[in-house]
Amino acid sequence: NAGVTQTPKFQVLKTGQSMTLQCAQDMNHEYMSWYRQDPGMGLRLIHYSVGAGITDQGEVPNGYNVSRSTTEDFPLRLLSAAPSQTSVYFCASSQVDPGPTRKKLFFGSGTQLSVL
Amino acid sequence: RKEVEQDPGPFNVPEGATVAFNCTYSNSASQSFFWYRQDCRKEPKLLMSVYSSGNEDGRFTAQLNRASQYISLLIRDSKLSDSATYLCVVIYTGGFKTIFGAGTRLFVKA
Repeated sequence: NAGVTQTPKFQVLKTGQSMTLQCAQDMNHEYMSWYRQDPGMGLRLIHYSVGAGITDQGEVPNGYNVSRSTTEDFPLRLLSAAPSQTSVYFCASSQVDPGPTRKKLFFGSGTQLSVL
Repeated sequence: RKEVEQDPGPFNVPEGATVAFNCTYSNSASQSFFWYRQDCRKEPKLLMSVYSSGNEDGRFTAQLNRASQYISLLIRDSKLSDSATYLCVVIYTGGFKTIFGAGTRLFVKA
């Protein structure tokens, strides 16, 4: 069981370049989300989705786009990379069913992105 | 003000010590609460859920105080392997927006 798979693990971009971070899960989770983690800031929510075709903004959505065409995939797109987007990015998924015991987030292993 | 605030530490404790972390949240619509553990910028992993009645998992005890809007984590008999960053997590009512605290760094030394 692969869980949450993120690719790539490392990426270096030049300012203005575009790229897509991939995230896939095989647990049939409806909820998927993207976070960025910067020193001293903890994980900050970028975008999230509660099912195919449904997305919403988190705390820091500017500069990022997402879409959810399938339950399994939730790619994060940087249309024009900026140095301020240098960070570690994590994708996570969970069930949506009510009840606190079902809110466990499963994380991917992260992507280290550097924008020069 | 951040929605979820934690003392960043670091906490430096000897093996066998008891250490406590607190976390405060500002949004009263918060519904679910958790502690996650993160090692060396690896992905966070769930440590335990937090309930108003308090819950215990081995050496770890978590407590929620809704009136004062804070969450606590107590670690007894600290081990070297407990060295990590501990993240407080709050999920808003509706279950969709998950907010992380910045984390508290713990170093347990021999």
